[in-house]
Amino acid sequence: NAGVTQTPKFQVLKTGQSMTLQCAQDMNHNSMYWYRQDPGMGLRLIYYSASEGTTDKGEVPNGYNVSRLNKREFSLRLESAAPSQTSVYFCASSEGPGRSYNEQFFGPGTRLTVL
Amino acid sequence: GQQLNQSPQSMFIQEGEDVSMNCTSSSIFNTWLWYKQEPGEGPVLLIALYKAGELTSNGRLTAQFGITRKDSFLNISASIPSDVGIYFCAGHIFSGTYKYIFGTGTRLKVLA
Repeated sequence: NAGVTQTPKFQVLKTGQSMTLQCAQDMNHNSMYWYRQDPGMGLRLIYYSASEGTTDKGEVPNGYNVSRLNKREFSLRLESAAPSQTSVYFCASSEGPGRSYNEQFFGPGTRLTVL
Repeated sequence: GQQLNQSPQSMFIQEGEDVSMNCTSSSIFNTWLWYKQEPGEGPVLLIALYKAGELTSNGRLTAQFGITRKDSFLNISASIPSDVGIYFCAGHIFSGTYKYIFGTGTRLKVLA
C-alpha cells in the first residue's frame, strides 16, 4: 500500500516550458488535492477534485490546469512555467464527500524550479 | 488567502522538555488535523480531531479540539531529537466542498 505517490520528485524548467506533475493514490479515496508550499508559508490549495469527474479551483489556481484522469490519478499541468511557480508541490487525498472522517494524506512532493 | 494563525512560529527547546503549540481561526471548523513535516518530505498526519472538546493522544503527542471549534492545541511531552520538524495544523470546513485550511507551521528544534 503505497499511499499517495508523485512523479517526478525534482524538476527544473525554463520559463515558458510546460510540464505535467503526476499523482496517484491507492487508498480508494474520492477526493484529491494539489497544493504548493513556499518558504515560510503554509500549504496553499491550487485545485481539488471532490470526486471523480469534478474539479474546482482552490486559492491559487492561476497558471495551472488539472485533470482527474480516473479515481486514482490527478495530474497538475503548468502550460507556460514562470519563475513565480518555483515551489514544492504536494498532492493529497481524502475519503471525500459523505464520509465521516476527513483525514487528508500527502504524497512526498515534487520540487520544481523555474529558471 | 485564508490561513490559520499558528503559534509559535518557531521553538528551540531542550531534550526532555514539553512543547505546546496552537492554532486559532475566525471560522468554525468541523475537523482539526495536526501534521508533522520533516525536511524533503511530505506532511505526515499525526492526530485527527472531530468533536469540540475532544482530546486525543498519539504516543507522546496530545491534541485538543477547542470547545469554540475555532482553535486547537498540540502538546508534545518529553521531547526527543527526532521530534524536530515543522508542525502544521489544518482545519476542515464543510461548506459543500472539501477544503482544508492550513496554518503556517511551527518549526521545532530540539537541543540534545
